[in-house]
Amino acid sequence: GQQLNQSPQSMFIQEGEDVSMNCTSSSIFNTWLWYKQDPGEGPVLLIALYKAGELTSNGRLTAQFGITRKDSFLNISASIPSDVGIYFCAGRVNNAGNMLTFGGGTRLMVKP
Amino acid sequence: GAGVSQSPSNKVTEKGKDVELRCDPISGHTALYWYRQSLGQGLEFLIYFQGNSAPDKSGLPSDRFSAERTGGSVSTLTIQRTQQEDSAVYLCASSSVYGYTFGSGTRLTVV
Repeated sequence: GQQLNQSPQSMFIQEGEDVSMNCTSSSIFNTWLWYKQDPGEGPVLLIALYKAGELTSNGRLTAQFGITRKDSFLNISASIPSDVGIYFCAGRVNNAGNMLTFGGGTRLMVKP
Repeated sequence: GAGVSQSPSNKVTEKGKDVELRCDPISGHTALYWYRQSLGQGLEFLIYFQGNSAPDKSGLPSDRFSAERTGGSVSTLTIQRTQQEDSAVYLCASSSVYGYTFGSGTRLTVV
């Protein structure tokens, strides 16, 4: 089946630093989504991307839908302690209903 | 309700016992999903319900796992004869065309 390779698996950064994480796939997705999961909670949608090449921002977060439709990245600028959590990418193909395939997650730790 | 509600939030059970996990989706969402998240891991798809269609059970790891969705709303995930490797957080999500809304999960510990 389809798989998403997400990297890095974990990051430990200093507060104020920028963060970049990405997902790659061996197959094409029509939609890319980025989620954040806080401890003890379910993932929450951060950004949704619907068109190849699309670059979308949400506050300090910026995500791009790769032009090949096989990859996406998420950047976080000027990280703060509350950015701590696990970030997941997810992809969807239109002929799979609303089914999402998730990456393995990037665990972000921020040092004040 | 306003969000996806899962119960119980935590469950500790003895190996070999059956457990039932409940999910109340967002009203009006026709699609409902169950995922499993093992410690420090990503989300593993289990089962998918869409309206009145037959569910997609392709992710269920064994025949000890089953799920049903009554009246197109509440769903129950049942694990029979639990094993220690079943210990994980079980997440439910319901969706509109824009994406999933997850519940907070049920943390299952099999001892």
